[in-house]
Amino acid sequence: KAGVTQTPRYLIKTRGQQVTLSCSPISGHRSVSWYQQTPGQGLQFLFEYFSETQRNKGNFPGRFSGRQFSNSRSEMNVSTLELGDSALYLCASSGGTGYNGYTFGSGTRLTVV
Amino acid sequence: KQEVTQIPAALSVPEGENLVLNCSFTDSAIYNLQWFRQDPGKGLTSLLLIQSSQREQTSGRLNASLDKSSGRSTLYIAASQPGDSATYLCAVDSGNTPLVFGKGTRLSVIA
Repeated sequence: KAGVTQTPRYLIKTRGQQVTLSCSPISGHRSVSWYQQTPGQGLQFLFEYFSETQRNKGNFPGRFSGRQFSNSRSEMNVSTLELGDSALYLCASSGGTGYNGYTFGSGTRLTVV
Repeated sequence: KQEVTQIPAALSVPEGENLVLNCSFTDSAIYNLQWFRQDPGKGLTSLLLIQSSQREQTSGRLNASLDKSSGRSTLYIAASQPGDSATYLCAVDSGNTPLVFGKGTRLSVIA
C-alpha cells in the first residue's frame, strides 16, 4: 500500500515568487492536512481538506492557500514568497476504512532566497 | 484550546538504557493520541496510536500509555539503541479539529 507522496522533495525559490506543492494521500483516505515546520515554531497547522472542502484553517496569512481534488490529491500554494516561508512543509492523510490515525509524507523542503 | 507539552526537551542516554518520554495535554476530551518519530529533515513516522478507550499500546520495544483523566501519556523505550536517536513527537486528536503537537523530545542514544 503506497504511503503519502509529496512532490517535489526540495525547492528553491526567490522572494516574491509563488510556489505550488503537491500531496497524494493514501488510497481511500479523504482527509489531507498541511503543516509547516520550522526550527523556531515547531509544527504549525495550515489547513485541512475533506472531500474537496476546507474543514479547518490555521492562523496563516491569505498568501497560503490550498485545494483538494476529487481524487483526494491536494495542493497548497504560497504566493509572494517571503524569506520566513522557508520551512519543511508536511502533508498528512487520514480516514478510509477503520481508523489508523494520521500518516505523514516525507515533506517538501522549501528554501526562499 | 488544547495545549500539549513534552518533557524533557532533550535527552541523552547510554545504549541499552530504558527510558520514558512524557507528554501532557490540557483538555482530557480527546479522541486519540499518537506518537511519532522524526529523523532530521525527514517526515513523521507513526510509532503508536492510542484511542481514547485504550490504556496502552505496544510495538516491539515501545510501549505507550494513556491516562486521559490526568492528561498524560508516556512513551517507554526499552533497551535503547543508537538507531533510536531522533525527535519524538506526541500529537493529540480531539475529533474534528487539527492534530495538536508538542514541541518534541530530542533523544540521543550514545553507543
